[in-house]
Formats: sequence, structure tokens, C-alpha cells
Amino acid sequence: GESVGLHLPTLSVQEGDNSIINCAYSNSASDYFIWYKQESGKGPQFIIDIRSNMDKRQGQRVTVLLNKTVKHLSLQIAATQPGDSAVYFCAENRAAGNKLTFGGGTRVLVKP
Amino acid sequence: DAGVTQSPTHLIKTRGQQVTLRCSPKSGHDTVSWYQQALGQGPQFIFQYYEEEERQRGNFPDRFSGHQFPNYSSELNVNALLLGDSALYLCASTGTYNEQFFGPGTRLTVL
Repeated sequence: GESVGLHLPTLSVQEGDNSIINCAYSNSASDYFIWYKQESGKGPQFIIDIRSNMDKRQGQRVTVLLNKTVKHLSLQIAATQPGDSAVYFCAENRAAGNKLTFGGGTRVLVKP
Repeated sequence: DAGVTQSPTHLIKTRGQQVTLRCSPKSGHDTVSWYQQALGQGPQFIFQYYEEEERQRGNFPDRFSGHQFPNYSSELNVNALLLGDSALYLCASTGTYNEQFFGPGTRLTVL
């Protein structure tokens, strides 16, 4: 079936290193992708988004890459900080309406 | 500018009871979506409201219903609660470019 999933359930990163979180999707008709950060006890926080007519988008310390050929997107966090420790979700927003389909999440643990 | 707000923060109910959760979207947002997030999983889409009508619905039974008011706030109602309904219920409002902003959620525990 159609799904959005993540390759790694947990990622341990040394403070100051770069983090890369990967996500696969299966619906080639998807046209909008979002990365969310969720800290314990809180709702998902919007980080960055990308539309299918782009292959790269940069924000503050974050970069999202989209590879439509292999239906893969990634989130890169530069100079990872302790405050980046959280669960990260990719979500797919399909053309028909604003229904978001989420993957299972990757937990990022930042080691001091 | 207040973000998306939800109430209550936590709720404990017993099986068979009914519950109502509330959401106020970000200022200027007219579309509200509800999601259910089980522990350790990603959020699952329940339904979406726009112009006081249900516009889209996910794979949830009719026990889950909602409402949107003229001021764009929304309610989620769940009847005949089951143990499996225990989850974090999230509300999201949609911005100008279709990005969705989430509230802090309501943690529902069904005993």
C-alpha cells in the first residue's frame, strides 16, 4: 500500500556533528513533503517543507533533499545541538486535499 | 499571535464513555485537521474541516465525529470509547501554502 516510512528508528549523534535522517515514500503522485520535529509531550513542530518541483531546500541549519527518481527524501541538520534531540517525522501531503501521511519517526539522540 | 491551542491537556475516561476535545486554529487559518497519535507511532489522519463541513476523512469508524464552528474552532467527539482509543489527539490548522501547524495535543487515556 501507499506509505511514508523511515529507514532508521534511532540515530545517535555527537554534538557538533551533522545529522542525516532518511525517509522513503511510495506514492509517485505525492507533491509536497514536510519534516516535523516532536519533543516529548509536545505536538509536531514544522521544520521545513519541499515541493516536488524542487530537489533541495535550505533553512536555518537544516536542508531537505528530495530524490523523486527513487522516492526518497532526507533531512540534514548541521552542527547538531542538544536541543535537536527529538523524534523527527517526514510527512507526505498528497495533491487531493491536505491530508498528511506520516512515517513512523526517527529518534535523534545528541551526545555531549 | 497565538498558535494552535487545544483543550483539555489530559483526559481520563472509561470504556463506553464519550469524549469531546477542542481546538482553536492559528489566527487567519480556516482549515482544521485532526490526527490520532498512538504511543511510539506517527500521527494518523482522522478528518479535516473547512467551512464547517467535513472535507476529508481517514480510516476511522463513525464513532469519531467532529464539528467546526463559524469562528473556525473545532471539536472532535469520540463515542463508545475503547481501550485502543487511548492516544495523543492532535489538531492542526493549515496555512496559506498548505503547511500544517500542530497544537500541543490532548492526551486521552481510556481505562
